[in-house]
Amino acid sequence: GNSVTQMEGPVTLSEEAFLTINCTYTATGYPSLFWYVQYPGEGLQLLLKATKADDKGSNKGFEATYRKETTSFHLEKGSVQVSDSAVYFCALSAGKGAQKLVFGQGTRLTINP
Amino acid sequence: DAGITQSPRYKITETGRQVTLMCHQTWSHSYMFWYRQDLGHGLRLIYYSAAADITDKGEVPDGYVVSRSKTENFPLTLESATRSQTSVYFCASRSGGGQGLQPQHFGDGTRLSIL
Repeated sequence: GNSVTQMEGPVTLSEEAFLTINCTYTATGYPSLFWYVQYPGEGLQLLLKATKADDKGSNKGFEATYRKETTSFHLEKGSVQVSDSAVYFCALSAGKGAQKLVFGQGTRLTINP
Repeated sequence: DAGITQSPRYKITETGRQVTLMCHQTWSHSYMFWYRQDLGHGLRLIYYSAAADITDKGEVPDGYVVSRSKTENFPLTLESATRSQTSVYFCASRSGGGQGLQPQHFGDGTRLSIL
């Protein structure tokens, strides 16, 4: 079946540090890949997405590239800010119809000033 | 305001009680979803709906009931609550087009505690 594995957290960094959160997936066919972010007390918000191999999704300084050969979709940001502190979820959708999302377990990121 | 709203935001109840969580969206999205969020598990799909009067089970449907008589509403009912159903519940919706290109939009969640 389809599954997503994220690097375990929590992750704590200093402001302006480089961020990588690893995500790998297992899926049949050609899934679409997503990163969602959850700020405290809120629901999930779409951060970025990629729908085919070698696509790069980007938003708010975050980037992730769909790597079919390594089945990965790692999230990166060159210089994090305190406001980036949140929980990040990698997810995939595959197949037709409802395009149900399968989520990783989430990675809690804390940025210290 | 347009969007997706869940109610209540917080609920405490006792085991064996029936409780209904409400979800309302104003986009006329075809698809709606219910997830539960638990530490170490991420979000897991409980039920989803492709349109009014069409619902289907997700990964963890046991102990839950859904209905969708109107496109905009998708209530989730725990018919006899158990402590293992203590969780944060999220509703989401997405439009029907794009073969997966359309993202899901999430409500702010309902934190449910069962004593």
